[in-house]
Amino acid sequence: DTGVSQDPRHKITKRGQNVTFRCDPISEHNRLYWYRQTLGQGPEFLTYFQNEAQLEKSRLLSDRFSAERPKGSFSTLEIQRTEQGDSAMYLCASSLGSAKLLYEQYFGPGTRLTVT
Amino acid sequence: RKEVEQDPGPFNVPEGATVAFNCTYSNSASQSFFWYRQDCRKEPKLLMSVYSSGNEDGRFTAQLNRASQYISLLIRDSKLSDSATYLCVVNRGAGGTSYGKLTFGQGTILTVHP
Repeated sequence: DTGVSQDPRHKITKRGQNVTFRCDPISEHNRLYWYRQTLGQGPEFLTYFQNEAQLEKSRLLSDRFSAERPKGSFSTLEIQRTEQGDSAMYLCASSLGSAKLLYEQYFGPGTRLTVT
Repeated sequence: RKEVEQDPGPFNVPEGATVAFNCTYSNSASQSFFWYRQDCRKEPKLLMSVYSSGNEDGRFTAQLNRASQYISLLIRDSKLSDSATYLCVVNRGAGGTSYGKLTFGQGTILTVHP
């Protein structure tokens, strides 16, 4: 399977704990995106990378959230001191950097986070 | 006002029906437009990009009206397997700039019944 992969698929944690999610994009894609989706809503943008550079961050990404893509391949999203409001599906997407297909993003299966 | 607005539905239609979804966007600088499909508890999947001239892919037709900032999706001859949430998506990117984020509507729920 050469699609976007995410790990873990599900995570249950207690409030106050730290969690880290991983995303592996489609291999030839140089852009990687993180989104968050809550029930009944469309995904909301969090941040994105072009290669290893983090180019844009949403105001939704509080100081407790950090994302990295150290070698321009896989990315991690860490949430520190989790709160119940962090419970959501965290989606990763990737896209090619070519002009024509620049904005066609392909999503991974997501990591469903439940904070108890 | 939300940047991308859709009627959440639900739309309940019989097999074989034609159904249309509409979407409006507020940012006139938006450059790229898409429809994604999302099945329950699954990730969004790209259904089609929407081009200024309109485009068709089998039973699906997408239209864009930049003057009215309006996007539509028409599904003909609905199948049971078309049941899903349809997400209208807009991107403000232009050329080589750094605008990478997609802005999603709330989604329109479609249920096709026998």
